[in-house]
Amino acid sequence: DAKTTQPTSMDCAEGRAANLPCNHSTISGNEYVYWYRQIHSQGPQYIIHGLKNNETNEMASLIITEDRKSSTLILPHATLRDTAVYYCLRASGSARQLTFGSGTQLTVLP
Amino acid sequence: SAVISQKPSRDICQRGTSLTIQCQVDSQVTMMFWYRQQPGQSLTLIATANQGSEATYESGFVIDKFPISRPNLTFSTLTVSNMSPEDSSIYLCSATRGSSENTIYFGEGSWLTVV
Repeated sequence: DAKTTQPTSMDCAEGRAANLPCNHSTISGNEYVYWYRQIHSQGPQYIIHGLKNNETNEMASLIITEDRKSSTLILPHATLRDTAVYYCLRASGSARQLTFGSGTQLTVLP
Repeated sequence: SAVISQKPSRDICQRGTSLTIQCQVDSQVTMMFWYRQQPGQSLTLIATANQGSEATYESGFVIDKFPISRPNLTFSTLTVSNMSPEDSSIYLCSATRGSSENTIYFGEGSWLTVV
């Protein structure tokens, strides 16, 4: 049970914003939404996480709906190096165990 | 952030042998975990490494096959015992500092091929 639902794959043109959706309709009040990405044969790289407010860092923005049932990861200006599998996960503040689903394969096209 | 180093990064192992993977974190962390990623698959949690006590294993993983140690707050080992080709995977260590630091970090993984 991955607890989140993501599209299997997406394409994005280089230089454009990549918007990756995630559904987590059964999320609990104390569960954070985490995003990681994995480039082939490397360990998962942390991108961003949030509880209910929108978050932004140097890599991406995270938009969480008011009901917290879904979220969107935004890469504002995608580059070819952003091609990776992107995982949306949920984890409680204390458990710290992550359950990985299948993720979204994002391909940035030149 | 926490930097997590794993050794070996890659190895080819003979069937029936055992291999120990080391995970070193550059700062004290509260929790450490071990994951497995089989070829073409997503990550699966093997166990939580508990300092000074037995690890907590997820369903489908047992201590005899995957013994884990965590002698202190910054170091853990995972042994893959009596290996078979089905154990060919990337094994990943992850760690977090706990409630005041929510980010969970991953090492680069140890890619094992069993022949």
